[in-house]
Amino acid sequence: AQSVTQLGSHVSVSEGALVLLRCNYSSSVPPYLFWYVQYPNQGLQLLLKYTSAATLVKGINGFEAEFKKSETSFHLTKPSAHMSDAAEYFCAVGGNEKLTFGTGTRLTIIP
Amino acid sequence: GAVVSQHPSWVICKSGTSVKIECRSLDFQATTMFWYRQFPKQSLMLMATSNEGSKATYEQGVEKDKFLINHASLTLSTLTVTSAHPEDSSFYICSARDWGQTLYEQYFGPGTRLTVT
Repeated sequence: AQSVTQLGSHVSVSEGALVLLRCNYSSSVPPYLFWYVQYPNQGLQLLLKYTSAATLVKGINGFEAEFKKSETSFHLTKPSAHMSDAAEYFCAVGGNEKLTFGTGTRLTIIP
Repeated sequence: GAVVSQHPSWVICKSGTSVKIECRSLDFQATTMFWYRQFPKQSLMLMATSNEGSKATYEQGVEKDKFLINHASLTLSTLTVTSAHPEDSSFYICSARDWGQTLYEQYFGPGTRLTVT
């Protein structure tokens, strides 16, 4: 079975500061990992995905994530936060043709 | 490309009535569609997986007779909440997977907010 754990249900960073959202996974097989963003009252938008190619994955809106097998982690980062980054972020792992989502991290940007 | 729509975006219905939510893939053929439920400030919980032309596979704990899913074509899946009750109020999100996509990659609709009064 697959699962993901997102550390920190709420993260606040100042505008222009580094964004770091943590995700650890558990998987019995090589994982497919995803980060999604959700704005209020909207569906999910794919930020980036890891599918066993390069361990450093670049996504949209300046986000990137690094797959670290030894740490079973797939943390999401962005060098400089923008006000428009304020949203809910979900890490997900693929298994048995399904996605299992973490509990989400709400990112707040402080002006 | 890869756009998924849902209709309606929000609906209010009275307790005991049924409501249908549509999920459409607009520019690709969706061999598989998924239905999720999301409570306020919580994560997405998979309700069921539907493959075109076959019966949906429901997750444990999801009432099949209450949440009827139909996937009659490669671009349309519907979720019908029967005999709705206030506890069914939630945000329902569908997603779709193109037959040519990476196995786990899904495109999500914008969601439907259901309020049962």
